[in-house]
Amino acid sequence: AQRVTQPEKLLSVFKGAPVELKCNYSYSGSPELFWYVQYSRQRLQLLLRHISRESIKGFTADLNKGETSFHLKKPFAQEEDSAMYYCALLGTYKYIFGTGTRLKVLA
Amino acid sequence: DSGVTQTPKHLITATGQRVTLRCSPRSGDLSVYWYQQSLDQGLQFLIQYYNGEERAKGNILERFSAQQFPDLHSELNLSSLELGDSALYFCASSVAFGGVNGYTFGSGTRLTVV
Repeated sequence: AQRVTQPEKLLSVFKGAPVELKCNYSYSGSPELFWYVQYSRQRLQLLLRHISRESIKGFTADLNKGETSFHLKKPFAQEEDSAMYYCALLGTYKYIFGTGTRLKVLA
Repeated sequence: DSGVTQTPKHLITATGQRVTLRCSPRSGDLSVYWYQQSLDQGLQFLIQYYNGEERAKGNILERFSAQQFPDLHSELNLSSLELGDSALYFCASSVAFGGVNGYTFGSGTRLTVV
């Protein structure tokens, strides 16, 4: 089965603290994984994709095939990072999204 | 501007009614995807079109239908509306079939059924 699991609905951290948003997937074959961000119920925006191995707005994510995980990390959270984050797996012809994690960065 | 245009932005209608949501994909994108976002269900895939043809179907109710026109814009038709259909409906587009380079999302249509 193709599935994405984000175990935390809400994650609250203080400004300057490290952030880790968890994502686990189930997929047979080589997965293509992405993180999308949604600010205040606006449109979803692509944050990063694992094949690019890029860092966007200080966020990084590493694909761990052994643990079937693609956790999103940032060393120092900022208030403007507060948003909804979705992990997505490119399944057969479409994305499968996790249920999302709301990140709240407290001042 | 993301390039994907959705109209209307907001829609309030009564139960039992029918509405049409419209999506214009980003220029050059051939694939269009519809997603429903509700508070308790997260993002649910509804349907995908590629160059006018339906290519994948998700959890789309029989009361819902969609199509993609020759100019590549797409419409999502929702009929016999129920209170539970209230949600944010997103359209996304991609160049490649399946979206291997990521989707571009529209800003959504917020449907409220009263």
